[in-house]
Amino acid sequence: ELKVEQNPLFLSMQEGKNYTIYCNYSTTSDRLYWYRQDPGKSLESLFVLLSNGAVKQEGRLMASLDTKARLSTLHITAAVHDLSATYFCAVALGDDKIIFGKGTRLHILP
Amino acid sequence: GAGVSQSPRYKVTKRGQDVALRCDPISGHVSLYWYRQALGQGPEFLTYFNYEAQQDKSGLPNDRFSAERPEGSISTLTIQRTEQRDSAMYRCASSPHTRVYNSPLHFGNGTRLTVT
Repeated sequence: ELKVEQNPLFLSMQEGKNYTIYCNYSTTSDRLYWYRQDPGKSLESLFVLLSNGAVKQEGRLMASLDTKARLSTLHITAAVHDLSATYFCAVALGDDKIIFGKGTRLHILP
Repeated sequence: GAGVSQSPRYKVTKRGQDVALRCDPISGHVSLYWYRQALGQGPEFLTYFNYEAQQDKSGLPNDRFSAERPEGSISTLTIQRTEQRDSAMYRCASSPHTRVYNSPLHFGNGTRLTVT
């Protein structure tokens, strides 16, 4: 059974700092997704990573995928308060069953 | 364009009652997923459909839960004889492809179910 583990689960950081969120998964997959969720809101897609070595960047966020290590990272550069949210990674198993991690609750202090 | 629409937005029901939660996916989207999300947790997979065919229902907690998508569009998640532990946010998501590659899932705003 596919397990998706994120760490850390909670992160409080200062504005302007850099940090990385990690997503490990337990079985082979070639599709990984990152989502953002603001409190009381739905999930918003950030990145779709489809191959080993894939790297995608949007603003201060950069995501990468290492399918051999079964690891994805979400790197935050020079954090700003607006990036405070919960970030989820999700991994596709088999045809289309998509399993989510528990999420990383990110709080950026001004 | 219109996103994924779920109704009702909130549902309060008494223990033992049946509830039906509705999901109207984005027009043309062929895949439809149901998730359950407890407060402070990640979405928990329940089931998914490609067109009208239920592909995987391994995440449904027990036989009180069922889902259908008879015409390959609107889907209904039904919970029979509700229990307090069923209280959660139920989220629906859709995708334009049967194999979710470049397209991520598009989520609705969810139905908040409270069983008293």
